[in-house]
Amino acid sequence: GQQLNQSPQSMFIQEGEDVSMNCTSSSIFNTWLWYKQEPGEGPVLLIALYKAGELTSNGRLTAQFGITRKDSFLNISASIPSDVGIYFCAGHFSVNKFYFGSGTKLNVKP
Amino acid sequence: DAMVIQNPRYQVTQFGKPVTLSCSQTLNHNVMYWYQQKSSQAPKLLFHYYDKDFNNEADTPDNFQSRRPNTSFCFLDIRSPGLGDAAMYLCATVGQPNQPQHFGDGTRLSIL
Repeated sequence: GQQLNQSPQSMFIQEGEDVSMNCTSSSIFNTWLWYKQEPGEGPVLLIALYKAGELTSNGRLTAQFGITRKDSFLNISASIPSDVGIYFCAGHFSVNKFYFGSGTKLNVKP
Repeated sequence: DAMVIQNPRYQVTQFGKPVTLSCSQTLNHNVMYWYQQKSSQAPKLLFHYYDKDFNNEADTPDNFQSRRPNTSFCFLDIRSPGLGDAAMYLCATVGQPNQPQHFGDGTRLSIL
């Protein structure tokens, strides 16, 4: 199957700091998605990206679809304690299949 | 309001005792997915339905089966659960090509 490399695996930051995480793939994707998952819950969609080069914001979150269509990043500005969770990227290119990164676990210290 | 609903949220079963997990959706989406997720790992696709067409992943054990009696409902049957099947099971749906998946809140399965 497709491999998505997501980094970093985990982050420990202070409240108020900015955060950046990214995903790379050996394959081209048509869609990049970013999800957040909190303990005991399902993943919740944060941002969906549909075009190479697209830069999209959702409040303090900003994500970009890489020009090569093989990568994407997610930035969180001015982190707050409720940002804690696991962030997953996912890519999609055909046949109803989505491929997930291994997740970035974010810890925010008040 | 929840659009992808999984029941129950927590399920405990005995080793080897069949168990069924349920997913329903109010979105009228064509595609429904079942994922297995173990602690702090990425969701792992087990299978998906496009309408009534069933698509199994090559590495999904035979122990896992699924049924989709209509557009709204999809079931995951585990015929003989083993200890290694303890996990969160996630249901997701997609309505249009290239649109994002919508996930339910999952069922956490424990095996005694």
